[in-house]
Amino acid sequence: EDQVTQSPEALRLQEGESSSLNCSYTVSGLRGLFWYRQDPGKGPEFLFTLYSAGEEKEKERLKATLTKKESFLHITAPKPEDSATYLCAVPINQAGTALIFGKGTTLSVSS
Amino acid sequence: GAVVSQHPSRVICKSGTSVKIECRSLDFQATTMFWYRQFPKKSLMLMATSNEGSKATYEQGVEKDKFLINHASLTLSTLTVTSAHPEDSSFYICSARNGRGADTQYFGPGTRLTVL
Repeated sequence: EDQVTQSPEALRLQEGESSSLNCSYTVSGLRGLFWYRQDPGKGPEFLFTLYSAGEEKEKERLKATLTKKESFLHITAPKPEDSATYLCAVPINQAGTALIFGKGTTLSVSS
Repeated sequence: GAVVSQHPSRVICKSGTSVKIECRSLDFQATTMFWYRQFPKKSLMLMATSNEGSKATYEQGVEKDKFLINHASLTLSTLTVTSAHPEDSSFYICSARNGRGADTQYFGPGTRLTVL
């Protein structure tokens, strides 16, 4: 069964304290892995797409990496404005359109 | 680029009434749009895939007669919740994917539906 599991469910960090979020997946034939950020009461905001093992992408304090079984979202020196729920998703159909989402990691960064 | 809007952002209705939610891609043409539902503290669940000019494809367990989807143009899809009941109260989010091979889905801001 196709599945996406994110850990931890919640993460509290002090400002400047770097950490990583994990997304593990079991799908046959990965057709991309997507990271989104979601603020309360809003729709997900696109962050990254990764397609192959070894691929890395960076944006400001965030870096996403991908292996054959999991992806990591590294947050370097986070700030309070990085507080949000981070979601990962993978397509589960041949066309690559139907996304299955993990339950997310809710990050809280305090100053 | 890749901006998706939804209207309304919030709606409160009485049980038994129908509610229409619009999803628009503002700066690109979306051959495919998607409708998701999200319950509090839960992740997004895909309800249906909407292709321009054809019938929507519904996920298992989603009632097509209750959740009517129309994708009349390359920039607009609508979701109508018919005969809404309190259990339909949820956060409905659409996403759009442009038709030029890129497969990233861009999401709208969501619509909070409350059925009294």
